[in-house]
Amino acid sequence: GAGVSQSPSNKVTEKGKDVELRCDPISGHTALYWYRQSLGQGLEFLIYFQGNSAPDKSGLPSDRFSAERTGGSVSTLTIQRTQQEDSAVYLCASSLARDHYGYTFGSGTRLTVV
Amino acid sequence: QKEVEQDPGPLSVPEGAIVSLNCTYSNSAFQYFMWYRQYSRKGPELLMYTYSSGNKEDGRFTAQVDKSSKYISLFIRDSQPSDSATYLCAMSGNGNNRLAFGKGNQVVVIP
Repeated sequence: GAGVSQSPSNKVTEKGKDVELRCDPISGHTALYWYRQSLGQGLEFLIYFQGNSAPDKSGLPSDRFSAERTGGSVSTLTIQRTQQEDSAVYLCASSLARDHYGYTFGSGTRLTVV
Repeated sequence: QKEVEQDPGPLSVPEGAIVSLNCTYSNSAFQYFMWYRQYSRKGPELLMYTYSSGNKEDGRFTAQVDKSSKYISLFIRDSQPSDSATYLCAMSGNGNNRLAFGKGNQVVVIP
């Protein structure tokens, strides 16, 4: 596709349930990033995938969060045993390798934990 | 201290006014500086970018970087209602594509 596609666009889940968020990056972009945007908190880095290298997971807030990227393309962010503080917009971006300026963001998944 | 500080206060200006936004940062390794614009319910989109210190102009938009002061600015001239959005500064350093973002400023341009 022409842009970064994220699904679902909105997700409401009960506390304690697991959720999966999907990101389909721009074709040919080898770098993929997940960020979290909470109200008044700006964008918080979560995880970074670059080609076949080991991902940079240094931003994941707890072991309830995990992500994978299959075949160097689609990525899934999984949150286990969701908590109310996980409510936020989860944004995915992709770029060409070593391209500091070329991030393209998706529209995000708005997660609400009730 | 956060790596990037951006006063998140909202800003309302009349149409045609100059909008001035700024960020400070603490990491001297940052070399790449960007401004993103984010409309409601959308992802951020790259608006301006500069490398190291200096000014860059693109139409009504001017980005400035002062590395000695660790201070970056964005100016919007002749602001339009369509400029109403949240503006986020972002930056990164050599060897690391990960962007550090400010909290963003919500700008409202009143017709």
